[in-house]
This record gives sequence, C-alpha cells and structure tokens, in this order.
Amino acid sequence: DQQVKQNSPSLSVQEGRISILNCDYTNSMFDYFLWYKKYPAEGPTFLISISSIKDKNEDGRFTVFLNKSAKHLSLHIVPSQPGDSAVYFCAASGSGGSNYKLTFGKGTLLTVNP
Amino acid sequence: EAGVTQFPSHSVIEKGQTVTLRCDPISGHDNLYWYRRVMGKEIKFLLHFVKESKQDESGMPNNRFLAERTGGTYSTLKVQPAELEDSGVYFCASSVQPNYGYTFGSGTRLTVV
Repeated sequence: DQQVKQNSPSLSVQEGRISILNCDYTNSMFDYFLWYKKYPAEGPTFLISISSIKDKNEDGRFTVFLNKSAKHLSLHIVPSQPGDSAVYFCAASGSGGSNYKLTFGKGTLLTVNP
Repeated sequence: EAGVTQFPSHSVIEKGQTVTLRCDPISGHDNLYWYRRVMGKEIKFLLHFVKESKQDESGMPNNRFLAERTGGTYSTLKVQPAELEDSGVYFCASSVQPNYGYTFGSGTRLTVV
C-alpha cells in the first residue's frame, strides 16, 4: 500500500516557465515532508522541506506548498532551468520514535527544455 | 569533506550467489541508513544503525539480508542467497543526528540474473 503517491511519472516544461510537481499522501501521521532531486547514477539530494505546522516554505526558486486537509503537497520551481532536469522524489516522515524514517513516492521525471 | 561512498557501484550476480555491498558513511556520522529502490518503484527504507547498533531493521525484506556495522564505521549489507527480486539500487545514507538531514551515497545497482 503506497502511502506517498506521485501520480505523474513525467513532466516536461519550457525553460523559464513554472514547473509544478505534485504529491499526495494517505498517512495522517506524517508531519514532515521533503523533496529530493536525483540525477542519473547519483543518490537523492535534499532540496527543500516543510513541517506540517506550515503551509508554505520557500528557498530561492523552489517553493513547497502543503495542504493538510487535502493531504497534498506540491513543489514549484520558478523559473525552470535546464539544469533542473532530474527525477524529483516526494518523501514524508511521521512523529514519534521512527521520525527519521522516510517514506518515498515513486518520483517524477522533470525535463526542462531550452 | 568526503561524501557517503558505496562500493561496488554495479554488481551482476547469478541467482543463488552471495553479494556484499559496502557503505562508508561521512566521518563522524553515527547514524547510517540503508534504502532500496526496486525498478519502477519507490525508494524503501531497509534499516537504521546508530553507531554499531541496529536501531530499526523493520524494512529488511527477509532473513536472506544481513546488515552489519562493526566498530560503528562502515557498514555491509549481505544478500545470501540472492533472488531475482533482489535486483535494484541499494542506497546508503548517513547523518550526525537521527533527523532528516542525511546525505545519500550514489548507490549500488544490483542485478540478479
């Protein structure tokens, strides 16, 4: 049973436009959410995170939005650059003793075209 | 600062053979994690070490998988005997504290034929 879902396997956008990657989760115990970026033959690299007490977190061109009632989060990249082309993973973690353990989605392949 | 190093980067073995994956965490990182991504699926947690102790091994698929971290430095993950469904990319990560700011290695791609 997949607790973190990224329903779009791929997304293609033009350079300079906005990229919006979506993620849904089912476990209401999740209270911390992260986005990782992964290039081929490399490990995932932390990009940005958000706690459940917030609904928005911004870091440069990257903004993550959290809608707790809908159990939905999204990552916005503005403006998109060709170097942003990678697989993006949404991940979630719960509270309590296992709060270090991440549950990942399957990933979305973002392609930014010049 | 050197990152998390995993060896080998690729391994192709026959079903029934044994394979040992190695992970060298960032120096000083007491927390070490193993994750696995099977083709087309999500990255899944396998286990967590704090120094040499297994803190949580709830994600280990079955008893064919054995993880060790002798001396609290590098870790090994042994698969014996390997099955076809064990194919995937095995990631190791480490952190100073058991939080979310951990660094992943590049992974070991294991193919069982």
